[in-house]
This record gives sequence, structure tokens and C-alpha cells, in this order.
Amino acid sequence: AQSVTQLGSHVSVSEGALVLLRCNYSSSVPPYLFWYVQYPNQGLQLLLKYTTGATLVKGINGFEAEFKKSETSFHLTKPSAHMSDAAEYFCGVTGFQKLVFGTGTRLLVSP
Amino acid sequence: DARVTQTPRHKVTEMGQEVTMRCQPILGHNTVFWYRQTMMQGLELLAYFRNRAPLDDSGMPKDRFSAEMPDATLATLKIQPSEPRDSAVYFCASGLSVDSSSYNEQFFGPGTRLTVL
Repeated sequence: AQSVTQLGSHVSVSEGALVLLRCNYSSSVPPYLFWYVQYPNQGLQLLLKYTTGATLVKGINGFEAEFKKSETSFHLTKPSAHMSDAAEYFCGVTGFQKLVFGTGTRLLVSP
Repeated sequence: DARVTQTPRHKVTEMGQEVTMRCQPILGHNTVFWYRQTMMQGLELLAYFRNRAPLDDSGMPKDRFSAEMPDATLATLKIQPSEPRDSAVYFCASGLSVDSSSYNEQFFGPGTRLTVL
């Protein structure tokens, strides 16, 4: 079975600061890992995904994540936060077709 | 620009009434997922289909919820009778699956916000 733990329901950063959203996963099979973003009153949009190959994955809007098997982690980072990054972020894992989401982390960006 | 569409976007109803939510997956996609999002429970997978066949509906309350795909362009989620605890945002997502063991990106619709009074 697959599960995801997102550390921190809220993360606050200043504009221009580093963004780090943490995700740890559990999977009984080689995982596929995802980060989705949800803006207010909208559906989820894929930021990036890891399936196989390079462990550092680059996504949209300057985000990237690194798959670390030894740490069972897939943390999301962005070097410099922008006000438009304020949203809720969901980490997800799947070994087959079902995507299991974490509880989400709300990113707050202050001027 | 291919998108998943959901109707209605908002629904307010009274307890005991039937509610039907509709989803049009992206043309050519063969998997459809229904999720429910609440503040307390977060995102929960209710059911999903591959090639119109239900593969898993274990997340769905069986006594009042039902999900169907009458054809490849329409998925429905029905609640009968509705209860206040069903108030949530219901998302539909679609994707293209090559085989039963593979996974591909899910594209989400904008959701249906359901309020049951």
C-alpha cells in the first residue's frame, strides 16, 4: 500500500525566499511521485512528476523536486518565492493506477 | 486546449434530495477518477474507472453513492439521498493509461462545490 506524509500544514515564506515543502512516502512497489498545486477555487494542476530516471525533476513555475530513495522523500523546492506561488500543494504517490495524496501544505507568501 | 469539464460548478440542495454530478473527461482519456475534498478529510479517492469499467469504488459510501460511465465522454456521480455530511468539493480527473499496471498524469476538472442543507 502507498501513503504520503506532508510535514507542515502551513508554510510561510517571504517573497524571494527559498521554498521548501516536505513530502515523505511509503510504497510497497517502486513509486511514481507527484506534486500538484491547487489555487483557490480551482482543481489540481500537475507541477512535476518522478517516474524513473533522473532523480532531480524540474517542473513548471521554477519548482523542482528530488527523489531520495534512501530517505523515502520527495521534497519540493523553489529558489525564490513569488507572490503568485501562494496556493495549496499536494504530494502524491502511486505504484499502480491509484494516486494517494498527502493532506496538503498551504504556502503563504508575504511581501 | 483540452480540459476536464464538470457540471454543475455549484449545487445547493436540501437533505434527502438526489444530487447528480457530471464529468466530461478529456477526449481520448481512458481513466476517470472521482475525488472528494473536505477540510477535515482532505482529498479522498471515491472511485475510478478504466475503459468505462469500474476498477475500485472502495472509497465510496455504497448505500447512497453511485458512479457510472454511460459512455466514454460522460462520467456521473450520484448521491441519493444526500446528507449534510456530503457537503464538499467533488473533483473529477481523467488520464490515459496504457495498461493496468502503468500510471499517467491525472488532469483535474474545476470541481463541483456541493452544499447540503
